[in-house]
Formats: sequence, structure tokens, C-alpha cells
Amino acid sequence: AQSVTQLGSHVSVSEGALVLLRCNYSSSVPPYLFWYVQYPNQGLQLLLKYTTGATLVKGINGFEAEFKKSETSFHLTKPSAHMSDAAEYFCASNTGNQFYFGTGTSLTVIP
Amino acid sequence: DTEVTQTPKHLVMGMTNKKSLKCEQHMGHRAMYWYKQKAKKPPELMFVYSYEKLSINESVPSRFSPECPNSSLLNLHLHALQPEDSALYLCASSQGALLSDEQYFGPGTRLTVT
Repeated sequence: AQSVTQLGSHVSVSEGALVLLRCNYSSSVPPYLFWYVQYPNQGLQLLLKYTTGATLVKGINGFEAEFKKSETSFHLTKPSAHMSDAAEYFCASNTGNQFYFGTGTSLTVIP
Repeated sequence: DTEVTQTPKHLVMGMTNKKSLKCEQHMGHRAMYWYKQKAKKPPELMFVYSYEKLSINESVPSRFSPECPNSSLLNLHLHALQPEDSALYLCASSQGALLSDEQYFGPGTRLTVT
């Protein structure tokens, strides 16, 4: 079955440090891939998505993700963490008829 | 307007009550979704409406009854809920009928069943 796996349920980084949140997908056919962010007591906001074409995808708030077919990965990065980046991050995928969320990664930013 | 609105923000109901959650979007999207989210967990898909017709029901108990009166509006009618149904209920919409389109989420309704 199509699924995504997020490695690390909690990630802590210092303010200004690199943010790296990991996501791997399982599929014999490259899926559509998404990263969403959820701030406390709010809905989910789309950060970026990959469909086809360019493997480096730029999103909002300085985030980007690279689709690597050979590694079945779609890791989310940001060069410099801000305090406002503290939130829950979900990787998600679909193959057109089913939408899967990863288990989420809680990002803490240390001042 | 790229917003999905949900009302109410918070709802407390007893197990014998009947209540409804409302979701609205004015982006011209033709697919709308209900999700249930427990604390520290990802959203779980409940229902999908495509062009105002129910296309996916993820084996949700009948005490949850969705309704799509028109392409902009989605309701979730609640009756005889259990305490374990307490959760954040999220509505989302997407432009097309395919789940491959990105979904836009509302802020959610925090439901507490007493």
C-alpha cells in the first residue's frame, strides 16, 4: 500500500540552524507529495508540493524539498530556523485515489 | 478568497445531543473533505464529496452524517456521539475531484463529547 514515513517524531534545532525533516514514501510509481504545517489549534497549511518536473521544490516561508526517486525521499529543509517555525509538520502523498499523511514531526526551535 | 471557514470553533455536546458542523469555501473547488484529528496524530480521512456527491466514506460510524447542500457548503451532522469522538474536525477543499490536488484546510472545530 502507498504510504509515507516520517523519521523522527520530534526534532529540535537552534534558532538560525538548518532545519531538516525527513520523509520517505513507498510506491513503485512516484506519487504526488506534499508537506503541510500545522500550528497549535489551527488547520493545516500547504508548504509545498511535488507533482512532476523539477525535483527541487520551493515553498512558502523559505522551505524547500527535494524529490529523490533513487532514495524514495522527499525531505523538507530550511537554511535558517526561526522561532515562528515551531509547529507540527506532515508529509503526505497520494496516487490519485487515496491520500496518506505521515505521522508528523514536531519541530521545536530553541532560542 | 483562498479561505475555508468552519463553524463553530468549539463545540461541547452531550451523548444524546444532535449538532452540526459547518464548512464553507468560495474558491470554486469541486471536492470537499472531512477529517478527524486526535491530539498528536495526523488527520484521518472521513468523507470526500466530489461535485456534491459522496465519493468516499472511510467506514465512518453512522452517528456521523455528512451533507453537501451545494458546491460551497459542507455539513457534518452529529448524533449520539461517544466520548472517544472528541477531536479536532477539519474540513478541506480542493480544486478538482482528484485527491492529487492540494487541499486547503479550514481551522477546524474542536469537539468535546461529555
